[in-house]
Amino acid sequence: SAVISQKPSRDICQRGTSLTIQCQVDSQVTMMFWYRQQPGQSLTLIATANQGSEATYESGFVIDKFPISRPNLTFSTLTVSNMSPEDSSIYLCSVGYGTGSGNTIYFGEGSWLTVV
Amino acid sequence: EDKVVQSPLSLVVHEGDTVTLNCSYEVTNFRSLLWYKQEKKAPTFLFMLTSSGIEKKSGRLSSILDKKELFSILNITATQTGDSAIYLCAVEGRGANSKLTFGKGITLSVRP
Repeated sequence: SAVISQKPSRDICQRGTSLTIQCQVDSQVTMMFWYRQQPGQSLTLIATANQGSEATYESGFVIDKFPISRPNLTFSTLTVSNMSPEDSSIYLCSVGYGTGSGNTIYFGEGSWLTVV
Repeated sequence: EDKVVQSPLSLVVHEGDTVTLNCSYEVTNFRSLLWYKQEKKAPTFLFMLTSSGIEKKSGRLSSILDKKELFSILNITATQTGDSAIYLCAVEGRGANSKLTFGKGITLSVRP
């Protein structure tokens, strides 16, 4: 497994502002993802962070709201733009390691954002 | 659309009890099923299952997959208060992005 570090771990943000979350992995990984977990809900995939190209977004998530960077194989950022209280959530960076039969996905510690 | 349903939604047991957590799924082109334990923030990986009938075991935890009936169970024997957590089940379909679809989770509380 990998050591996945996220910053910030927690923040309180003002409505209308943007915040960038950083994810650092201690080894090179091909697969890197961003998930959201709203209060009392399960995890939902926001996008796949692709190294050297634009991220692939899931239905309901757009680049203008959640721009993602992936400059290399160990680092990614997720920005939550123009925040509203509905964006209060845990944001989780994850990486995947593949075997022949499936991929094991590991998660970072998460970034807990509260929008006021 | 891929779907994962976990049951029960919550469970309260006493230390030493054995619990069985259920996960049923519908997924296009199933690849694997994964179990996670979530205590505070980050889900921690427990098991990945790809083949029917082969039990995966780690200490007091074990899990098995039935690809014909489309479900998996996670067993915890001799439960301890440290087992209190949310247990998440997720399935991966075959696709370019290795997307995981998660269930809502099962909240397990183990009382002393």
